[in-house]
Amino acid sequence: QSVLTQPPSASGTPGQSVSIFCSGSSSDIGNNYVFWYQHIPGTAPQLLIYRNSHRPSGVPDRFSGSKSGTSASLAISGLRSEDEGLYYCATWDESLSAWVFGGGTKLTVL
Amino acid sequence: QITLKESGPALVRPTQTLTLTCSFSGFSLSSTGVGVGWIRQPPGKALEWLALIYWDDDARYSPFLQSRLTITKDTSKNQVVLTMTNMDPVDTATYYCAHAYQMLLPFDYWGPGTLVTVSS
Repeated sequence: QSVLTQPPSASGTPGQSVSIFCSGSSSDIGNNYVFWYQHIPGTAPQLLIYRNSHRPSGVPDRFSGSKSGTSASLAISGLRSEDEGLYYCATWDESLSAWVFGGGTKLTVL
Repeated sequence: QITLKESGPALVRPTQTLTLTCSFSGFSLSSTGVGVGWIRQPPGKALEWLALIYWDDDARYSPFLQSRLTITKDTSKNQVVLTMTNMDPVDTATYYCAHAYQMLLPFDYWGPGTLVTVSS
């Protein structure tokens, strides 16, 4: 069972917007940066968002991140078929002294 | 251009020790702040962080697996090695290594991963 809680699935149609949420606690998200990763099966995970809301170069501005208190969210606008895959949040957990990942959210583009 | 690649056995017997090597290019593990970590993903399950070693030999481990893990680096060879003892079928997973920069940018570049199956 993951320290960070994510919904197991999310979906949307092409062009729509979708948000994926990540819930934690004061020992993890509450006091540390949140990172988001996209994982297309068969490929290596890719960093989408770092330090809560920053996009690495090459990541489209359709992807945005935010954090409030002990929760964070990833928003994807203008949904495309190639956005299908797994999305993970991650942060440092101070009580565990460990990097922790959420359970992952499978995004389906209908 | 940063690249990483994992190598190691595809099949390990239960109770054996797994040794995985991460070979990388495009950065130096002697540069301040730089680190290399290991993350795994069992089939159908979530990503799980295992270990991370920094440029100054500071090594961090998952508290759930710490007793079984050792991470080392060879700066001259641009390699990081992870050993995991007493392998069990539940350790069957794709193992990834990834570049990190301090606590600010964990796992920004990943290797393609290597599938390790634990079976007798």
